[in-house]
Amino acid sequence: NAGVTQTPKFQVLKTGQSMTLQCAQDMNHNSMYWYRQDPGMGLRLIYYSASEGTTDKGEVPNGYNVSRLNKREFSLRLESAAPSQTSVYFCASSESGNTIYFGEGSWLTVV
Amino acid sequence: TQLLEQSPQFLSIQEGENLTVYCNSSSVFSSLQWYRQEPGEGPVLLVTVVTGGEVKKLKRLTFQFGDARKDSSLHITAAQPGDTGLYLCAGAYSSASKIIFGSGTRLSIRP
Repeated sequence: NAGVTQTPKFQVLKTGQSMTLQCAQDMNHNSMYWYRQDPGMGLRLIYYSASEGTTDKGEVPNGYNVSRLNKREFSLRLESAAPSQTSVYFCASSESGNTIYFGEGSWLTVV
Repeated sequence: TQLLEQSPQFLSIQEGENLTVYCNSSSVFSSLQWYRQEPGEGPVLLVTVVTGGEVKKLKRLTFQFGDARKDSSLHITAAQPGDTGLYLCAGAYSSASKIIFGSGTRLSIRP
């Protein structure tokens, strides 16, 4: 039972490079989320998708774009990476705002 | 700016002592969840509270949802070293599946 799968697990980018974090869930959940977590801190919501075909900004959307490709997949794109985007990124899914299930995290370093 | 404030941010106590962690907001939530996170892993759900004034117990952990559904507390009785970790509260908004997290409480229990 895979749950939420996100890739890559580790990535180093140079400032200005672009990349896409991929996320897929196999629990048939309507809602999907992208969070970032800085060292020792809580999670901050970047974007979320309440259902297939919709996306909304969270608390810290600047510098990111998302795509809800279908019900299973929700990708996060950094168009021009900045050192301030160095963080751990978590994808998650839930059934309409109930318990969140998280992926294992993606460690991103921007140099 | 964190919309969901947790306190204290750090707590280091002796084994056997009791402690309380608070989660406060000016927003009303449809539910409030508590998670625990170990280093290098995603958060794992401990409990969800839904009704204002609700109290839930999980062994030595007691969770309470405020009457107005804006705040919550986590009380641990007779803390043990195995309780060490990052505790996160998360509030779910009723309308759009949006879920935000608190700033986190890093708990350390000394043997």
